[in-house]
Amino acid sequence: AQKVTQAQTEISVVEKEDVTLDCVYETRDTTYYLFWYKQPPSGELVFLIRRNSFDEQNEISGRYSWNFQKSTSSFNFTITASQVVDSAVYFCALGGTTDSWGKLQFGAGTQVVVTP
Amino acid sequence: NAGVTQTPKFRVLKTGQSMTLLCAQDMNHEYMYWYRQDPGMGLRLIHYSVGEGTTAKGEVPDGYNVSRLKKQNFLLGLESAAPSQTSVYFCASSRPGPTNTGELFFGEGSRLTVL
Repeated sequence: AQKVTQAQTEISVVEKEDVTLDCVYETRDTTYYLFWYKQPPSGELVFLIRRNSFDEQNEISGRYSWNFQKSTSSFNFTITASQVVDSAVYFCALGGTTDSWGKLQFGAGTQVVVTP
Repeated sequence: NAGVTQTPKFRVLKTGQSMTLLCAQDMNHEYMYWYRQDPGMGLRLIHYSVGEGTTAKGEVPDGYNVSRLKKQNFLLGLESAAPSQTSVYFCASSRPGPTNTGELFFGEGSRLTVL
């Protein structure tokens, strides 16, 4: 069975601090996909990134960066120089084979609170 | 472009009542899904559909039924609502295949309270 663990329930930071969100996953699939979604206070879910299991290259997108380490089954997410607009719940999710698009196993989410 | 639209946005039901949540997408996506979100548990897949006329069970299907009579619509039904079904329900859609980003396009959510 697939499992995603986001051990941090809530992280509070002051604006401009960096914040790292941990995500640890379990799967028996040899090919899998990892995702991060953002849920701002307004409630909608926003796709941030997808990472394939065969591509361990880290990625940076503006203030966001992702560190995928297959050896430790982790896919951590860092927000650099946080802003108030980054306040949201962030979900890590795990998907299986290509035919399983959308059949994602979500973690419980990490609430990020950025104060001015 | 509306994307994924859910109706209603809010609903209060009494135990034993029935209701249907409607999800409509205008992106011509093949795959559609219903998730529920509960505090501390993330999102859990209820049912999904890989095309018109098809449905399949997800992780937590009990107490729900679905139908996909038209490609653009995916209905979630509660035949006899229970307080345990109090939740926020999200519909999502996606294109199939490995060439897309795997992005799920979510609706705004429907908050259901069962008294």
